[in-house]
This record gives sequence, C-alpha cells and structure tokens, in this order.
Amino acid sequence: QVQLVESGGGLVKPGGSLRLSCAASGFTFSDYFMSWIRQAPGKGLEWLSYISTSGRTKYYADSVKGRFTISRDNAKNSLFLQMNSLRAEDTAVYYCAKLPGAEPQFDYWGQGALVTVSS
Amino acid sequence: QSVLTQPPSVSAAPGQKVTISCSGNSSNIENHYVSWYQQLPGTAPKRLIYDNNKRPSGIPDRFSGSKSGTSATLVITGLQTGDEADYYCGTWDSSLNAVFGGGTKLTVL
Repeated sequence: QVQLVESGGGLVKPGGSLRLSCAASGFTFSDYFMSWIRQAPGKGLEWLSYISTSGRTKYYADSVKGRFTISRDNAKNSLFLQMNSLRAEDTAVYYCAKLPGAEPQFDYWGQGALVTVSS
Repeated sequence: QSVLTQPPSVSAAPGQKVTISCSGNSSNIENHYVSWYQQLPGTAPKRLIYDNNKRPSGIPDRFSGSKSGTSATLVITGLQTGDEADYYCGTWDSSLNAVFGGGTKLTVL
C-alpha cells in the first residue's frame, strides 16, 4: 500500500533553514508528480509546491516562491522541501502528497511533519 | 483568505443528510475537476471524492459530489458520529496552482 513518511521537522529560529524529507513506498515513485501542502495550527490547507516526475518542472505558491525549493531523488524514492528564510508564519504541519496525474489533485497524504519557527 | 469559499461549519443529527458547498470562479472550479478531502481530528487529510463525483475504492456511497458552473457540493447521507471531521474542497487554477477551500467543520449532533 502507498506510504508517505515525512521527516526533518522541528524548531527553528526566524531566518533559519530546514529541509524536510518524504520517504515514499508502495508505488513506483518515479512515475508520479509529488507535492507539499501545509496546515498552520487551527487553519486550513495551503498548497505550497509540486514537482514533475523527472524533477524538471516545478510549481510554487506565491507565498513561498524564492524561499522554498522542492526536489526529488527518484533513485531513493524521496521528496524534499528546502525551506530558507523561515518566518513565524511558516509554522505549520507540512504534508507530502502524491498526485494521481499531472494535475494538482492529491490521492495520498503523509502523516505530516511539524515545523515551528520561533525564537 | 482561501481562494474557494466554504461554510465554516455545518451540523446535523445522526442518520440525516448534510450538504457542504464550495464556491469558486471561472479560473478554478468552472474549468477544472474538484476533489473533496476529509480530515478527522488529529489526522492527515484523506481523499473522499475526485474528478467532481468519483469515489476512491473504500469510500462508502453515503458520500457523493457534484459540480455545476463555479460551485461544487459534497453531500453526506446517513450521517454517523464517525463522520465528524473537517472537509475541504480543492481544485486548481489556470496557472496549475492548487487551491483549497477554507474547510467546513461537520458536527454530528
């Protein structure tokens, strides 16, 4: 069965950096687009970014463009999110999600990783 | 401020029916498929409906979706206490950016 397991969350100071990872299993990772979505405490879902199968095409929400970078390693069945210049408003649970096709819908989600940005 | 508009909350008694609306515009809902996601307390979202009205395997037929113009609707019949959750609609826009509604909290009285 499809499993997505995020890691790398934690406490970071404003202006700092963090790299999230998502380990995928149960499907042919290299065949599917992947995405990151976050949810601030008590708030709704916010899409951040998604990446094509090869990694050559990437889309970003305006709120993170220029600060966050999505990448993937198909050989290691892993998805990444490099987060720089972190702000307090980036505090959230970060989910990785699998897309069933090339459009941004999401058929499987990980359990999430909490990122807290605070001094 | 979410791109898609949902009511913040809905409620109904066990066994009853509830409808959750999702309003967008011509750049998102009207021209793209809508999905619905269920988020039980303390858990990750789970896909409930895709391509406007299709159910993934394992999702009971008590859950149904529809779309008309710039709006979409999720209907849940035969409500159960286990249906208490937050429900989100989602689609994408003409720039291929994913967009979500603000979420609707369902209370089963």
